[in-house]
Amino acid sequence: EPEVTQTPSHQVTQMGQEVILRCVPISNHLYFYWYRQILGQKVEFLVSFYNNEISEKSEIFDDQFSVERPDGSNFTLKIRSTKLEDSAMYFCASSPRDRARSPLHFGNGTRLTVT
Amino acid sequence: DQQVKQNSPSLSVQEGRISILNCDYTNSMFDYFLWYKKYPAEGPTFLISISSIKDKNEDGRFTVFLNKSAKHLSLHIVPSQPGDSAVYFCAASFNAGNMLTFGGGTRLMVKP
Repeated sequence: EPEVTQTPSHQVTQMGQEVILRCVPISNHLYFYWYRQILGQKVEFLVSFYNNEISEKSEIFDDQFSVERPDGSNFTLKIRSTKLEDSAMYFCASSPRDRARSPLHFGNGTRLTVT
Repeated sequence: DQQVKQNSPSLSVQEGRISILNCDYTNSMFDYFLWYKKYPAEGPTFLISISSIKDKNEDGRFTVFLNKSAKHLSLHIVPSQPGDSAVYFCAASFNAGNMLTFGGGTRLMVKP
């Protein structure tokens, strides 16, 4: 079965540094998402992306965050200047349609540790 | 943000018995509900869903019940198997989209 793949599995960075998290969505999917889960807290929606544009974003997704689909296969999340509170597990997901009846396929996540 | 809440952080069940996981929500605008299962070091995996126009949806050993008046949904697993041991998240969406609001999760342990 096709999978969403995320790299790296664990990223350690210093506060203030830029970090890029990478995802390869399922190839025939058109909608892409980032969610995150801070340790001990809920999984939270960050952003959805379709047709090279952000469709929706949450309050968490401020100017420090950006997303990009630089080529036909990768989908990236950039955090420009990381803060300690950005430490979390970041999940990429994709779906053929932006409908909950086409449920999200999640990757295994990237654990970001900001020191 | 307590729009979706799972009040039981953990549940332990004997193999072969029924597991019942509960979820409450506060926002009546939610119109689609999902359950995801998560194993350690993996992402959430879709399990089963239900539209707000229904009160029950069944898929094999898994059944989701929705009580709109009580703003409550539950996931029944019958019979429970050790491989079902995982964290279960309920999630809700507006306009049946994929911008999901998750509950905090319930860790299910099925003992052989």
